[in-house]
Amino acid sequence: DADVTQTPRNRITKTGKRIMLECSQTKGHDRMYWYRQDPGLGLRLIYYSFDVKDINKGEISDGYSVSRQAQAKFSLSLESAIPNQTALYFCATSDGTSSSGANVLTFGAGSRLTVL
Amino acid sequence: DAKTTQPNSMESNEEEPVHLPCNHSTISGTDYIHWYRQLPSQGPEYVIHGLTSNVNNRMASLAIAEDRKSSTLILHRATLRDAAVYYCILSDSNFGNEKLTFGTGTRLTIIP
Repeated sequence: DADVTQTPRNRITKTGKRIMLECSQTKGHDRMYWYRQDPGLGLRLIYYSFDVKDINKGEISDGYSVSRQAQAKFSLSLESAIPNQTALYFCATSDGTSSSGANVLTFGAGSRLTVL
Repeated sequence: DAKTTQPNSMESNEEEPVHLPCNHSTISGTDYIHWYRQLPSQGPEYVIHGLTSNVNNRMASLAIAEDRKSSTLILHRATLRDAAVYYCILSDSNFGNEKLTFGTGTRLTIIP
């Protein structure tokens, strides 16, 4: 099994629908992240969480919300999906314990979302 | 935030060394240099990171300029499996990973 599992891997939905992307990890890491990837734009940080009680906005959080249900689970929600949220979404984790501050991210395989 | 500049694409022959450059002229003293790569249809994966000294691991080597304004990822013997987009990223050690900003990277093509 993968260390970081994202579901669904592919989803097609319509404008205005509520969508949830789920992420679970078996690495025992405290930190979890949601990124969005668009062609030609690299990856952009949406939200991140350092532990179950900690949620922080990234650079593009508008239109998204998250829930950290447990150390191992971090969900991303689109309350009312719109076409420009069509993208590839990645979940990532890190242990956040490196004394050097240079922590390593482990990414999931991605969830491709299409909003019609 | 400090940014990085990479060539959009590079080609290399199989079984030859590959040198992927990255410029980061506005790097601060607490910024680490990270490299990740993204294989087709996969999430990014960690390759290597460093602060001031050159670094080696099983995947690659990282050569950091003395003034830290540039760095080079070295794949010693490229294989077809190394074809990917390579991202050079700076992270502020005062903040941890949340400051990781991925640019568009360098798309590496390996020629058989």
